[in-house]
Amino acid sequence: QSVLTQPPSASGTPGQRVTISCSGSSSNIGSRTVDWYQQLPGTAPKLLIYSNNQRPSGVPDRFSGSKSGTSASLAISGLQSEDEADYYCAAWDDSVNGPVFGGGTKLTVL
Amino acid sequence: QVQLQQSGPGLVKPSQTLSLTCAISGDSVSSNSVAWNWIRQSPSRGLEWLGRTYYRARWFKDYALSVKSRISINPDTSKNQFSLQLNSVTPEDTAVYYCARGIISVGGIRFDNWGQGTLVTVSS
Repeated sequence: QSVLTQPPSASGTPGQRVTISCSGSSSNIGSRTVDWYQQLPGTAPKLLIYSNNQRPSGVPDRFSGSKSGTSASLAISGLQSEDEADYYCAAWDDSVNGPVFGGGTKLTVL
Repeated sequence: QVQLQQSGPGLVKPSQTLSLTCAISGDSVSSNSVAWNWIRQSPSRGLEWLGRTYYRARWFKDYALSVKSRISINPDTSKNQFSLQLNSVTPEDTAVYYCARGIISVGGIRFDNWGQGTLVTVSS
């Protein structure tokens, strides 16, 4: 059981906009920033969004993040087939004094 | 460009010690602005942060409560690498283990560079 809650799956067609939610509590998302990771099959996670809404160099602006209260969202616009991957949210948790992750959302591009 | 290269056995017997090493290129294990982490991933536990080491005038080490009694993360400045030791392993420790560089900020920590991952199976 992961500390952060994500839907197990999401889907969309090419060109569509998809959002993935991440729910936490006051000890993590409510008081800290949220990061998002993309994991392609058989590879290590890759940092996609950090500090709620910042993109590392090289990440397309089709990817965006937001946070409100104890929840966060990742939005992917102009969906492409190569976006098919697992997506994880993460945040520092003051109650365990370490980072915690969501259970992951498997995105399927139909 | 930072690269992390993991090494270590993929099979460990129950009750023995899991040992992995992460060699760093493009950065220093003694860097004052980052932390060096171990994270594992399994179908049953998902992504789980295990711990970190970092240098701020002296060495610091933080460990997850779930493994605190069994884990040790150590820097090796002579080889610019860091290691993971997990004692008394059980089949529940079977997972893909990753090393990762962490950028520490006021809001938390983000992992911007990852090793390639090592599948470690605990079995006799």
